[in-house]
Amino acid sequence: EAGVTQFPSHSVIEKGQTVTLRCDPISGHDNLYWYRRVMGKEIKFLLHFVKESKQDESGMPNNRFLAERTGGTYSTLKVQPAELEDSGVYFCASSQGVGSSRLDEQFFGPGTRLTVL
Amino acid sequence: KQEVTQIPAALSVPEGENLVLNCSFTDSAIYNLQWFRQDPGKGLTSLLLIQSSQREQTSGRLNASLDKSSGRSTLYIAASQPGDSATYLCAVRHRGSTLGRLYFGRGTQLTVWP
Repeated sequence: EAGVTQFPSHSVIEKGQTVTLRCDPISGHDNLYWYRRVMGKEIKFLLHFVKESKQDESGMPNNRFLAERTGGTYSTLKVQPAELEDSGVYFCASSQGVGSSRLDEQFFGPGTRLTVL
Repeated sequence: KQEVTQIPAALSVPEGENLVLNCSFTDSAIYNLQWFRQDPGKGLTSLLLIQSSQREQTSGRLNASLDKSSGRSTLYIAASQPGDSATYLCAVRHRGSTLGRLYFGRGTQLTVWP
């Protein structure tokens, strides 16, 4: 069974440009999460989809970030326009369910390393 | 607000030693706690998931314990090997938060030398 995949693995862009990150969750996982790790800090939550609906987007830093999950399958995270402080590693994760059970276990992708110059 | 702390930040040991990595969290109202491993340039690999009602979980040479009331978890690695070298991350799902969000510590960077 394929794990969570993310594309691209690396992206280098200039300040003011637009970048779109993609995440393909494990097949059958309704829950999809985006996280980010900036240099020297802990991994922080950005948002959570249940199927195509945004369950929690309270971690999104500002309105330059837009996440979508059309059809409840893969998700995209767009940063427009990118700023220097957006540099970091963006992780996607998925889980089969959410609740007090093993279905809550989150499986992570390899991440996209974004560098904004 | 939930905060997760991991001690030590880095650890370097010779092969064969038994290790204890520590994780503490400020709010004991959690659904579960998950330990991850991250290799350089790679994603996070889930090692163990402990539900709030459990006290420990075991997988091979790994054993994770949870003391919810004191806000602590430990990851015990038996007979460490060079292949165990990686960053180990602890994350909790806080009961008070909206479903799903994990709160992470900064990790413990482990080096096991032959």
